[in-house]
Amino acid sequence: DAGITQSPRHKVTETGTPVTLRCHQTENHRYMYWYRQDPGHGLRLIHYSYGVKDTDKGEVSDGYSVSRSKTEDFLLTLESATSSQTSVYFCAIRGTSGSVIGELFFGEGSRLTVL
Amino acid sequence: SQKIEQNSEALNIQEGKTATLTCNYTNYSPAYLQWYRQDPGRGPVFLLLIRENEKEKRKERLKVTFDTTLKQSLFHITASQPADSATYLCAPGGGGSQGNLIFGKGTKLSVKP
Repeated sequence: DAGITQSPRHKVTETGTPVTLRCHQTENHRYMYWYRQDPGHGLRLIHYSYGVKDTDKGEVSDGYSVSRSKTEDFLLTLESATSSQTSVYFCAIRGTSGSVIGELFFGEGSRLTVL
Repeated sequence: SQKIEQNSEALNIQEGKTATLTCNYTNYSPAYLQWYRQDPGRGPVFLLLIRENEKEKRKERLKVTFDTTLKQSLFHITASQPADSATYLCAPGGGGSQGNLIFGKGTKLSVKP
């Protein structure tokens, strides 16, 4: 158990509303990631963090923002949700601190539906 | 742009046979490659990592090869069992300074008894 908790696990919201997904880790790992997974596209990186207040964009970052004010929490925010953001969102941590080579440990996912 | 292709969306085999999954990548040279297993409704789970200077890696019934000339990795499950049924994802790594992984779309393996 890598000690990753995502919340909420399921959410249904209306177009135009803000949504925040939370990823919490108990392992004190430096690297954290947000991916989305959609049929036909696989896992795509949204944003990642390499330390407190250090974040960067992934390949599908438009419409998303992130924040990391504490090592253990990585928040993903949709400022104004759209139907195209209906997806399953996975948080992950890199298992080897201090190295760019390391397996990822994933959370259980957050299923978001935007109506 | 970097591209990863896994040979097929679905692979059906009989129990006891060897399953072989293919991962091809183009437009970059990853320093290593990882394989993950994903069950329905769950997050991916790490299985194996192979580095560019390694030709082959084994773990129990799993074997991974990495051919940097062909830009291809093969993932084998020997003596397959129905419990091996899942989606398998390949993820070449080393992209960019932070070594972010890029995932293939996955191959759904079904092992029939």
